[in-house]
Amino acid sequence: KQEVTQIPAALSVPEGENLVLNCSFTDSAIYNLQWFRQDPGKGLTSLLLIQSSQREQTSGRLNASLDKSSGRSTLYIAASQPGDSATYLCAVRGAGNMLTFGGGTRLMVKP
Amino acid sequence: DVKVTQSSRYLVKRTGEKVFLECVQDMDHENMFWYRQDPGLGLRLIYFSYDVKMKEKGDIPEGYSVSREKKERFSLILESASTNQTSMYLCASSSTSGRALGTQYFGPGTRLLVL
Repeated sequence: KQEVTQIPAALSVPEGENLVLNCSFTDSAIYNLQWFRQDPGKGLTSLLLIQSSQREQTSGRLNASLDKSSGRSTLYIAASQPGDSATYLCAVRGAGNMLTFGGGTRLMVKP
Repeated sequence: DVKVTQSSRYLVKRTGEKVFLECVQDMDHENMFWYRQDPGLGLRLIYFSYDVKMKEKGDIPEGYSVSREKKERFSLILESASTNQTSMYLCASSSTSGRALGTQYFGPGTRLLVL
C-alpha cells in the first residue's frame, strides 16, 4: 500500500527566505504527483501537478521536482512571503484515479 | 476556472439523522471524489465516481453511501450519523483528458458536527 510522508511537519521562516518542502512515497509506480495548498478551514488549492514522465514543473515562485525512482518530490518556494503561510500537501496518484495524501507541512512565514 | 461547490460550509446534526452532503462541479469532469479530513489522519478517500451511476469504494466507505445521478453532481449520504463522523468533508473532481489531466480540484469543504 502506498504511503506518503512529508517532512518537516511544520516550518517557520522569516520573510524572504527560500525554502524546500519534502515529500516521499514508498511505491514508485505512480502516474503523477500533485502539490496542494490549504488555508485554515478551507479546501485544497492545486499548485502544481507533475506527470510521472516529467522531472519538474514551475509556476511563478514555485518549483516542484520529481524523482520517481527514489520516491521523492520537493516543492521549492522562492522569496517566501507572509501570504505563503498555509499547509502544503503532496499527493500521488497510483492505479485508478485515487490519490494518496501526505500529512502536510504547516508553513509559517513571519514578516 | 474550475468551480467545485459544496452545499454547506457548516452543518450540525444529531446522532441517527440522515445527512446529505452535495457537491457540484461545472467543468464536465468525469471523476468526482469524497474525502474526509481529520487532524493527525490527513485526507482519506471515502468514495469516488468515474461516471454517472458508477461508484467505487475508497479507503473508508463504512457508514457512507453515494449517489451520482447527473454528471455534475455527487452526493455523500450518511445513513445514520454518528459522532465519529464529525469531520471536514471535501469534494473534488478531475478530468480524464486535456491539459489538466489528473489534476484534482477541490471544493471549500463542509465542516460537519454530529452531536
